[in-house]
Amino acid sequence: DQQVKQNSPSLSVQEGRISILNCDYTNSMFDYFLWYKKYPAEGPTFLISISSIKDKNEDGRFTVFLNKSAKHLSLHIVPSQPGDSAVYFCAASSSDHINTGTASKLTFGTGTRLQVTL
Amino acid sequence: DSGVTQTPKHLITATGQRVTLRCSPRSGDLSVYWYQQSLDQGLQFLIQYYNGEERAKGNILERFSAQQFPDLHSELNLSSLELGDSALYFCASSAGTVRETQYFGPGTRLLVL
Repeated sequence: DQQVKQNSPSLSVQEGRISILNCDYTNSMFDYFLWYKKYPAEGPTFLISISSIKDKNEDGRFTVFLNKSAKHLSLHIVPSQPGDSAVYFCAASSSDHINTGTASKLTFGTGTRLQVTL
Repeated sequence: DSGVTQTPKHLITATGQRVTLRCSPRSGDLSVYWYQQSLDQGLQFLIQYYNGEERAKGNILERFSAQQFPDLHSELNLSSLELGDSALYFCASSAGTVRETQYFGPGTRLLVL
């Protein structure tokens, strides 16, 4: 059961334009969401996160939007640059307050390969 | 550089063998997580340790085990290896509190022949 879904395996965007990567989730217990960028032969690199108490978080060219009612989040990259070409993973976690007070595992989507062309 | 180190970077071995992957978390982080990424798939959570204790288990096979030592480094042991165990194995660490970011190491690429 895929609890975090990234339905677009790939996306091609022209340099300078906006890249929009989408992610859907099914588990209503998720309360923290993250985006990671991954280059070949490297580990995932943290990009931006958002707590379920917010609906938007911005960091430079990167903005994440969260729509809790639709169980949907998106990552906007403006303007897109060739160096942004990578695989982007959406991830979610739920706070295990009751049992441990610690964050639980991340559940990842299958990733979207972004290609920014010149 | 995330501050998480993993060794070895590459590992080639034969079916039936046993290997140990090592992870050193970021300074100060108490939680260590292990993930497996098979070809063209997302990262699958295997197991989490917090300050030396197992905290959560995911899709980890019985042939696999892990531990976290007093100095907080962790080892993932894979035994009776099969061809299907070939994958990238990532370690991540975090401070261990809620709603926090996990930082990933560069991974160990395991090839079972």
